[in-house]
Amino acid sequence: GAGVSQSPRYKVAKRGQDVALRCDPISGHVSLFWYQQALGQGPEFLTYFQNEAQLDKSGLPSDRFFAERPEGSVSTLKIQRTQQEDSAVYLCASSARRGTNEKLFFGSGTQLSVL
Amino acid sequence: AQKVTQAQTEISVVEKEDVTLDCVYETRDTTYYLFWYKQPPSGELVFLIRRNSFDEQNEISGRYSWNFQKSTSSFNFTITASQVVDSAVYFCARLNTGFQKLVFGTGTRLLVSP
Repeated sequence: GAGVSQSPRYKVAKRGQDVALRCDPISGHVSLFWYQQALGQGPEFLTYFQNEAQLDKSGLPSDRFFAERPEGSVSTLKIQRTQQEDSAVYLCASSARRGTNEKLFFGSGTQLSVL
Repeated sequence: AQKVTQAQTEISVVEKEDVTLDCVYETRDTTYYLFWYKQPPSGELVFLIRRNSFDEQNEISGRYSWNFQKSTSSFNFTITASQVVDSAVYFCARLNTGFQKLVFGTGTRLLVSP
């Protein structure tokens, strides 16, 4: 497709369950970002990939969060042993070149609800 | 932490009114970028504008205009003759050169009624 695609659109998990969120960036985009958006808040940075290299993971809130982009295109954000505080919208974004002084193209997000 | 503040949580206007969304940022850097994004109900953030810290010239794009004032660390956004389709949450964000992460404000929800 023409835009950033994220799946699933909605995910309900029981506390303690592992989840995997998928992001298909715009074809050819070098940079890929994950952001977490809590209800009523602005997005907060989680991690950044340049091609397959994860250059910044400083925003990942705990070691239960793990992201990968093995072939430099599709990315997966995995959350292990989900907790209620993980409930949020997870947004993926991509840009054509390195860095975010380029404009980002965002997906519609995955809304995660942990019960 | 160097914050981005959007003090207006929600603004309601009637169609054709002008509306200004405020943004105040903190930074210790001399080089940085400022952004505005629109988040409609569908959820994706849509890029509106990027400005660098060396360019204080105000910008107009159709019904949209931006007023960047370094002296007050503000980057305000005005919509002229608002329309129902402008209803969304608007985010201001800052990026410091050399870093990859955008720092967003908490957003301003704009409701435009017919």
